[in-house]
Amino acid sequence: EVQLVESGGGLVQPGGSLRLSCAASGFTFSSYWMHWVRQAPGKGLVWVSRINSYGSSTNYADSVKGRFTISRDNAKNTLYLQMNSLRAEDTAVYYCATSTPSGLLTWGQGTLVTVSS
Amino acid sequence: AIQMTQSPSSLSAYVGDRVTITCRASQDIRNDLGWYQQKPGKAPKLLISAASSLQSGVPSRFSGSGSGTDFTLTISSLQPEDFATYYCLQDYNYPLTFGGGTKVEIK
Repeated sequence: EVQLVESGGGLVQPGGSLRLSCAASGFTFSSYWMHWVRQAPGKGLVWVSRINSYGSSTNYADSVKGRFTISRDNAKNTLYLQMNSLRAEDTAVYYCATSTPSGLLTWGQGTLVTVSS
Repeated sequence: AIQMTQSPSSLSAYVGDRVTITCRASQDIRNDLGWYQQKPGKAPKLLISAASSLQSGVPSRFSGSGSGTDFTLTISSLQPEDFATYYCLQDYNYPLTFGGGTKVEIK
């Protein structure tokens, strides 16, 4: 079964850091580009970042550029999102998703990040 | 960044109704557009890619059309399980951008 499982969310103070993980199983993780997408409570979907299959190319939304870093460990079948200098507006459920020529095909269940003092 | 303007933001419809949701891009995105369905508390699900290609397993009552800047998602006969929020997503270039969403509710 193709599966993505996010972890690492939680409560963090403004200015703090958090690292999210996305564990992949049931498919050849190293062959897929991967994305992070977030959704603030009661709001719409917002694309955050993308990484290619080798980890050598990345893109970011302007709102997180310079603060967030996407990375991957293909040996561990895991995607990461390092989030620094967190702000209240970063509060959201964060989803990881596989990228295919058809679009964002497989999604995890999401992990909630709350930035609050 | 390309802006995706989705309308309406919400709609109420009866089971059996034909429903149309539109997305307009701020520039030409060819047919690089997908439609996603999200139910409360769940992850989004890809319904349609490349503006009009139905994903495997998605009911044929869903269809997509358009190219360039104007796109449409149509549900030909709304079913109870279709009540959800729908989003378009342009994957023409980075940063990827979603439309604001359309919440489809029961009338």
